[in-house]
Amino acid sequence: DQQVKQNSPSLSVQEGRISILNCDYTNSMFDYFLWYKKYPAEGPTFLISISSIKDKNEDGRFTVFLNKSAKHLSLHIVPSQPGDSAVYFCAAITSGTYKYIFGTGTRLKVLA
Amino acid sequence: GAVVSQHPSWVICKSGTSVKIECRSLDFQATTMFWYRQFPKQSLMLMATSNEGSKATYEQGVEKDKFLINHASLTLSTLTVTSAHPEDSSFYICSASPTSGRLDGELFFGEGSRLTVL
Repeated sequence: DQQVKQNSPSLSVQEGRISILNCDYTNSMFDYFLWYKKYPAEGPTFLISISSIKDKNEDGRFTVFLNKSAKHLSLHIVPSQPGDSAVYFCAAITSGTYKYIFGTGTRLKVLA
Repeated sequence: GAVVSQHPSWVICKSGTSVKIECRSLDFQATTMFWYRQFPKQSLMLMATSNEGSKATYEQGVEKDKFLINHASLTLSTLTVTSAHPEDSSFYICSASPTSGRLDGELFFGEGSRLTVL
């Protein structure tokens, strides 16, 4: 049972344009969501997070949107840069459990 | 930012041997560390939660006798793959969260260890 889903395994975007990565979840107990970026043969690195009490969080070029009613979150990267090419994982957690559930990842390729 | 170091970054071993992977939090104490396994084009699969001074909590389907986890201190957890077989070949990643007393919502990951069993 995949509680966190990233239905697009890959995405290609032209440099300078917006990249939108999507993530859906099924467990309504999740109250904190995170995005991680991963390069090949490296561990993931934290990008941005959002609490369930918010619907938007912005950090530089990265913005995460949360739609609780749809159980959907998205990561917007604008403008996209070639260095953003990586695999992006969304993760969800229920406070107090310390158990992060990861999506399957979306491979983003930003074309120069 | 916080740093988690994982060693070795890659290892090749013969079938039947055991391999130990270390995960260290370099600049913070971590009561809890996590071990993940990543298959190609798949998600990070949580294998176990490693608690300092107590037994690890394994996820369903993960063989505790095969994947031995020891969390001897607040900065070190080890994963030992015992009697390794080719199907154990994978990318193993550890993560840790600072023992801050509150959920910061941020995990720090090691660099990962690529295990290849011949």
